Amino acid sequence: AQKVTQAQTEISVVEKEDVTLDCVYETRDTTYYLFWYKQPPSGELVFLIRRNSFDEQNEISGRYSWNFQKSTSSFNFTITASQVVDSAVYFCALRRNTGGFKTIFGAGTRLFVKA
Amino acid sequence: SAVISQKPSRDICQRGTSLTIQCQVDSQVTMMFWYRQQPGQSLTLIATANQGSEATYESGFVIDKFPISRPNLTFSTLTVSNMSPEDSSIYLCSAGAIDNEQFFGPGTRLTVL
Repeated sequence: AQKVTQAQTEISVVEKEDVTLDCVYETRDTTYYLFWYKQPPSGELVFLIRRNSFDEQNEISGRYSWNFQKSTSSFNFTITASQVVDSAVYFCALRRNTGGFKTIFGAGTRLFVKA
Repeated sequence: SAVISQKPSRDICQRGTSLTIQCQVDSQVTMMFWYRQQPGQSLTLIATANQGSEATYESGFVIDKFPISRPNLTFSTLTVSNMSPEDSSIYLCSAGAIDNEQFFGPGTRLTVL
């Protein structure tokens, strides 16, 4: 069975603080993709990153960085120097590469960034 | 990247009626999916829309309640049948390629009275 766990339901930080959103996944597949999406108050889902299970390199994009560790089945997301515009719900997701290529989502972490 | 549009963007419907949601992608895509997001919740996969054949439904979702069509590689519809207030949700269309990103439409916000 596949599962994505985002244990942090809500996080509140003050602007300019760094914040890490945790994501732990379960899968028996050897190949899979991991994703992060942002859902701001307007409701649309914004794609942030896709990571192939074979690629464990960490990635940085501006103030965003991702730490993928297969040994602990984690794919954590860090926002450096957070801004009010980062306030949103963030979803971690897992897509298998077989059996229909379905993507399942974690419960989401709601991030509040206060000015 | 794929740009996905959905119609309608929102609707308010009466109990017992049906609503068909349209999803249009601006490029040919391998995969199309329909998700439901209930208020304050995560996304739940309803079904995979298969081109020219019956959709593949997830546990808890049935064709009689959520009939889906996908006549070509860029278009799909989801019908929410015999609606009840419990069907009030955001319905999202998603599309992408097997080895590529998966994008989402803006969603259809449905309220059933």
